[in-house]
Amino acid sequence: SQQGEEDPQALSIQEGENATMNCSYKTSINNLQWYRQNSGRGLVHLILIRSNEREKHSGRLRVTLDTSKKSSSLLITASRAADTASYFCVDTPLVFGKGTRLSVIA
Amino acid sequence: NAGVTQTPKFQVLKTGQSMTLQCAQDMNHNSMYWYRQDPGMGLRLIYYSASEGTTDKGEVPNGYNVSRLNKREFSLRLESAAPSQTSVYFCASSVGRVRNQPQHFGDGTRLSIL
Repeated sequence: SQQGEEDPQALSIQEGENATMNCSYKTSINNLQWYRQNSGRGLVHLILIRSNEREKHSGRLRVTLDTSKKSSSLLITASRAADTASYFCVDTPLVFGKGTRLSVIA
Repeated sequence: NAGVTQTPKFQVLKTGQSMTLQCAQDMNHNSMYWYRQDPGMGLRLIYYSASEGTTDKGEVPNGYNVSRLNKREFSLRLESAAPSQTSVYFCASSVGRVRNQPQHFGDGTRLSIL
């Protein structure tokens, strides 16, 4: 089954720095979604970007989409310790990758 | 506003025992889903229900059964638990029958089978 592949698998940054995570996918999409999972919790939907959109913002989150390269990126600006979590991109309905584990060190 | 509620939160079973995991949502969503998540892995879909009265197999349905009891509730049953079913189980729901709509997740049931 197709699934988005997040890169890097793990990322460690200092509080206040920006964090960038990438996602590559294989098929054409209607939309691409990003989710966050804090340790021991369920996934939380962060943002959805449609195939005809190139960039979308939500608070400290910025998502870009390049359909020609079949890739997306999630930028978290001015990171906080509370941003420590795993982040998943979802291109194909109901199929999740392994995610990027982000650690923000205070 | 509870969202998606899963019970129990933790359970330990012996091999061969049966168990039903419960899930309820209060958002009037049509579609509901069951996933399992193993260490270091993404979520794998077990079963989903696009609407009340319908259920479909996902990627890893073997060893499980589901019941969409009504619009609010979607249960997952292990008839004869096996150690390979040790995992964290997540229930999710979404607004409509279109499957790539955002999903709302419960906090999971942590199941250990000895």
